[in-house]
Amino acid sequence: DAGITQSPRYKITETGRQVTLMCHQTWSHSYMFWYRQDLGHGLRLIYYSAAADITDKGEVPDGYVVSRSKTENFPLTLESATRSQTSVYFCASSEGSGSPGTQYFGPGTRLLVL
Amino acid sequence: AQSVTQPDIHITVSEGASLELRCNYSYGATPYLFWYVQSPGQGLQLLLKYFSGDTLVQGIKGFEAEFKRSQSSFNLRKPSVHWSDAAEYFCAVGTHASGGSYIPTFGRGTSLIVHP
Repeated sequence: DAGITQSPRYKITETGRQVTLMCHQTWSHSYMFWYRQDLGHGLRLIYYSAAADITDKGEVPDGYVVSRSKTENFPLTLESATRSQTSVYFCASSEGSGSPGTQYFGPGTRLLVL
Repeated sequence: AQSVTQPDIHITVSEGASLELRCNYSYGATPYLFWYVQSPGQGLQLLLKYFSGDTLVQGIKGFEAEFKRSQSSFNLRKPSVHWSDAAEYFCAVGTHASGGSYIPTFGRGTSLIVHP
């Protein structure tokens, strides 16, 4: 099915481990985004990408790394997971520039760092 | 810097009653405004958006929102709420980013509870 998918949907890891969350979209949207959602904070932007090989920091980028070698994929890596990174992570995509595009969200990845 | 305020953390309404969710924004230029809905365990879905033109915007699921520049508001309304409307609602303002696109800044959300 076309759309935006995230994997895994649930992940439990330990402090200090590296974790990679995957995001894949089938629309060839230019823009992709990573958000984290925490109670009382709404959605906060971690990183975004305007195109393959172009990424930029959002509001809360510390402790995260992204890459975008292909238009359809936008993985998010926690290099050394901390308990404060326990959260729900959402990937989103939108069409290109020129006007505010609708964002399409994936189902989310629930990450627990022990 | 841009910001979005949703003053109500929770709103409780009875099924069939009318609904208004408040959203206030702070942004120096012409705002691009969005309302998204998040059902439990799901990602966000766009309800409606305002770019320009008519200040009353119609969306999906019977929702509408009115842009009031003088009040810096973009409140979401529905004349008659259904139990399936129970969800988290997010207001967002789109701000310029590199490459010419717009990055939404989200409010903290309002949780809608619907009583039968």
